[in-house]
Amino acid sequence: NAGVMQNPRHLVRRRGQEARLRCSPMKGHSHVYWYRQLPEEGLKFMVYLQKENIIDESGMPKERFSAEFPKEGPSILRIQQVVRGDSAAYFCASSPYGRLSTDTQYFGPGTRLTVL
Amino acid sequence: GQQLNQSPQSMFIQEGEDVSMNCTSSSIFNTWLWYKQDPGEGPVLLIALYKAGELTSNGRLTAQFGITRKDSFLNISASIPSDVGIYFCAGHLGDKIIFGKGTRLHILP
Repeated sequence: NAGVMQNPRHLVRRRGQEARLRCSPMKGHSHVYWYRQLPEEGLKFMVYLQKENIIDESGMPKERFSAEFPKEGPSILRIQQVVRGDSAAYFCASSPYGRLSTDTQYFGPGTRLTVL
Repeated sequence: GQQLNQSPQSMFIQEGEDVSMNCTSSSIFNTWLWYKQDPGEGPVLLIALYKAGELTSNGRLTAQFGITRKDSFLNISASIPSDVGIYFCAGHLGDKIIFGKGTRLHILP
């Protein structure tokens, strides 16, 4: 049973370009979460999605960032017109049940975004 | 917003020593979690605590959920080289997990 998969593992973009990060949840998991980690910091929640629905995007910047989890295919975190401050590690997690406080979230290996 | 304060920020220990780290919060959490993150990887769940006062072990790791539900500690006994990494405490708040800033564990040669 494969774990959470993220690609690419490393992504380099120039300022103003778009970054697209992909996440395939664990088999049987229909809940996906995105987190951002800055150097020397813990992970910060960005957005929680179920298939075709955004459930909670309270941690996601209102501009330039968007996320989707289509019926078929991976979840995508999209950052438009990247700036240097977007450089960070972006982690995806998945869980089987969703909003229960005891539901374990399993993390992927992350995508490290560097904006030049 | 909710914050988790982890201490110490870094630890330098000899192999074989026991390790203790803790986490406090200004808010009550229903679940406390301890994760380990290796360089270049995502966090891996070590221990999950669901009840105030609960004491749970996972091999050489022991963690407790404080009675007030605002704190937790993690102990590692007889440390080995593969224990090196960053340990995060975290708490479930609705559908999101709130993370502390981590304790960086180094083992001296």
